[in-house]
Amino acid sequence: AQKITQTQPGMFVQEKEAVTLDCTYDTSDQSYGLFWYKQPSSGEMIFLIYQGSYDEQNATEGRYSLNFQKARKSANLVISASQLGDSAMYFCAMREGGQGAQKLVFGQGTRLTINP
Amino acid sequence: DTGVSQDPRHKITKRGQNVTFRCDPISEHNRLYWYRQTLGQGPEFLTYFQNEAQLEKSRLLSDRFSAERPKGSFSTLEIQRTEQGDSAMYLCASSFGQTYGYTFGSGTRLTVV
Repeated sequence: AQKITQTQPGMFVQEKEAVTLDCTYDTSDQSYGLFWYKQPSSGEMIFLIYQGSYDEQNATEGRYSLNFQKARKSANLVISASQLGDSAMYFCAMREGGQGAQKLVFGQGTRLTINP
Repeated sequence: DTGVSQDPRHKITKRGQNVTFRCDPISEHNRLYWYRQTLGQGPEFLTYFQNEAQLEKSRLLSDRFSAERPKGSFSTLEIQRTEQGDSAMYLCASSFGQTYGYTFGSGTRLTVV
């Protein structure tokens, strides 16, 4: 079974609009972490935002926020006021377990294209 | 410190040849990870080091793959007798302790012809 599911292979958005990228996850652990990474065409994975399973508030980092719905096992990324430079692949990932857990499991990604 | 450095950026090799990739992590990071990313997929975990100790290996890491981190600093990933299915982007990442984020390098893109 897929541990991380990203159902949107591609998204097209007009510049300055907000965009939501979907991510659902599957785990039986109580302690886990959820990540979003951006991968531009250069190939580097750029860390955007983190949400811990025990965090009560949704994480925010500048224009990025994570809409964490624990009961639904959903961790959607919201980008406000999109910019042309936001065009890239976006990956949702999960780290299972508490202390000592090191492995990230990634989804298949969503290709976001921002149109001028 | 300029981040995680990987060398080479691109490698084209003939099937059956051996290749070796290098990763230089952020200097104060004690943990180092290798991931493989095939076209259209997310990265998949290969192996993880804490200092010089290799603590976990994925089933994806067949006998033809070996990774080392001899002095707890840089790491090498070697693939012996390459196959076309080994064509992928090989990503290295590093972190310090338990972390909320890993710093990735730009990857080495391997093409086996």
